[in-house]
Amino acid sequence: AQTVTQSQPEMSVQEAETVTLSCTYDTSESDYYLFWYKQPPSRQMILVIRQEAYKQQNATENRFSVNFQKAAKSFSLKISDSQLGDAAMYFCAYRGAGNMLTFGGGTRLMVKP
Amino acid sequence: DTAVSQTPKYLVTQMGNDKSIKCEQNLGHDTMYWYKQDSKKFLKIMFSYNNKELIINETVPNRFSPKSPDKAHLNLHINSLELGDSAVYFCASSQTRTVNEKLFFGSGTQLSVL
Repeated sequence: AQTVTQSQPEMSVQEAETVTLSCTYDTSESDYYLFWYKQPPSRQMILVIRQEAYKQQNATENRFSVNFQKAAKSFSLKISDSQLGDAAMYFCAYRGAGNMLTFGGGTRLMVKP
Repeated sequence: DTAVSQTPKYLVTQMGNDKSIKCEQNLGHDTMYWYKQDSKKFLKIMFSYNNKELIINETVPNRFSPKSPDKAHLNLHINSLELGDSAVYFCASSQTRTVNEKLFFGSGTQLSVL
């Protein structure tokens, strides 16, 4: 079974600074997708970014980018120019052939003004 | 227009009761899911349906019974509620079952069992 680990229960960043959230996963599959979801206090799960395992190029969505290291099974999220609205729980997730989206335990990000 | 809608948003009930949570998606998706988020924020898949057919049934007590009357709806019925069932339950949908599909989530139902 696949597992997803987020080793940082909480992180904080100063507004306008950059922060990196860590995620590692364990799998024997070769074809899979990785995702980062954001959950603000409203509870809504919002897709931030996704990465296909076969693509070497790291995905980027505006201020959000990933560092995907397939051999190391690492998938970190970098948030540049942090804004107050970025404060939320962030979940790393894996989806492979089993169809399930498997989540990590989450990282609570606090943004200081 | 809410893509995935769940009702109710909050549900407070006594131990031993039976309750249902409804979920509807207006995206025309084939696949729907139920996830449970516990008090430590850990999210875990419970069930997945594809075109009204059950395809994933994780280790969930049989007090939980999903029902899909059509592919736009996936309801969750819970019998004999226990304290440990208190959690936030999320419904989600995706276009198909394929790996790259993005999941669209509802806003969750916070269930509190007293």
